[in-house]
Amino acid sequence: DQQVKQNSPSLSVQEGRISILNCDYTNSMFDYFLWYKKYPAEGPTFLISISSIKDKNEDGRFTVFLNKSAKHLSLHIVPSQPGDSAVYFCAASPNFGNEKLTFGTGTRLTIIP
Amino acid sequence: KAGVTQTPRYLIKTRGQQVTLSCSPISGHRSVSWYQQTPGQGLQFLFEYFSETQRNKGNFPGRFSGRQFSNSRSEMNVSTLELGDSALYLCASSLVAVGTGTDTQYFGPGTRLTVL
Repeated sequence: DQQVKQNSPSLSVQEGRISILNCDYTNSMFDYFLWYKKYPAEGPTFLISISSIKDKNEDGRFTVFLNKSAKHLSLHIVPSQPGDSAVYFCAASPNFGNEKLTFGTGTRLTIIP
Repeated sequence: KAGVTQTPRYLIKTRGQQVTLSCSPISGHRSVSWYQQTPGQGLQFLFEYFSETQRNKGNFPGRFSGRQFSNSRSEMNVSTLELGDSALYLCASSLVAVGTGTDTQYFGPGTRLTVL
């Protein structure tokens, strides 16, 4: 039972445009969400997080939006750069992050120059 | 500051064998978590150790075990290997226990295990 779902295994976006990566979850106990980026042969690196008391969190070119009623979050990257090409994982945790993370299966983002 | 290191980076074993993977966290970090990454399931949590104690455990069979030493280094052991155990095994370290505050987990490069 996949409690965190990333339904798009891959996404291609033109350089300079907006990249939108989506994530859905089924467990209503999740209240802390994170995005990780992973390059080949490296471990995931933390990008940005959001707590369920917020609906938006911004950090430079990265913005995460949370829609609790729809159990949906999205990561926006603006403008997209070639170095953003990687696999992006969303992760969720209950109890404001006090429990283990559950990860989605990842979306491979390719930025086209 | 050196990052999280994992050894070995690649490993090939046959069914029925056992394997031990090692993880050295970032200096000063006391929490080590282990994850299994497969193409179909993504990243799945195995267990977390903090100060030599297992704090959390994922839904994996008892063939998967781990431990943490007093210097925070951690080992993961898989006994009686099955073909389905082929995966990338990642460990992550954090300064404090996962979820305590907003500390971030830092991942190592992983160990690629292939079971033939």
